[in-house]
Amino acid sequence: GEDVEQSLFLSVREGDSSVINCTYTDSSSTYLYWYKQEPGAGLQLLTYIFSNMDMKQDQRLTVLLNKKDKHLSLRIADTQTGDSAIYFCAESRLGSSYKLIFGSGTRLLVRP
Amino acid sequence: DVKVTQSSRYLVKRTGEKVFLECVQDMDHENMFWYRQDPGLGLRLIYFSYDVKMKEKGDIPEGYSVSREKKERFSLILESASTNQTSMYLCASSLTGQPQHFGDGTRLSIL
Repeated sequence: GEDVEQSLFLSVREGDSSVINCTYTDSSSTYLYWYKQEPGAGLQLLTYIFSNMDMKQDQRLTVLLNKKDKHLSLRIADTQTGDSAIYFCAESRLGSSYKLIFGSGTRLLVRP
Repeated sequence: DVKVTQSSRYLVKRTGEKVFLECVQDMDHENMFWYRQDPGLGLRLIYFSYDVKMKEKGDIPEGYSVSREKKERFSLILESASTNQTSMYLCASSLTGQPQHFGDGTRLSIL
């Protein structure tokens, strides 16, 4: 399989934590990325993790990687209404460093 | 900061027209990419270029061509636009082994 899969939709209350999940199938993944897309805009790189790492934290963002289960998650602490957007998981693969394989995106809705 | 600029945010063209989408980056990146984004399908790679005058087909190159005459500029060409090419088009650039940085996108409608 060549897919990167994400759930389509997540709704959280303002101030709560959000966890967006992603699964991938290729064990040769080198880097895994999270991008954010606001309405009508392009993709903004949020963070990325090298495949030999388990965790990366950057302010309100925490990325967890379970390489055995091929599972990646993005946790957003203290979620704000400005975090409402589509979040894309993407992977790059060994021997194909030019290409990114994207998931279909998770739409995060933050309720006041 | 990396700046990837796409020449148009919105574009409306007619079936059969030749359409040019332009992308410019200011960070001396060797790699540039064109994607299209459609609801439920995520991003799909059309073409990419790893050097001036070099190009490689992506996953969905049919109906498109590209041009990279200068390092900073990567053009996507629809030789004869069709309605099924109505989409959001995203350009990206990167250094090899580094993350891709995206422009704001061009929403293209073919009537």
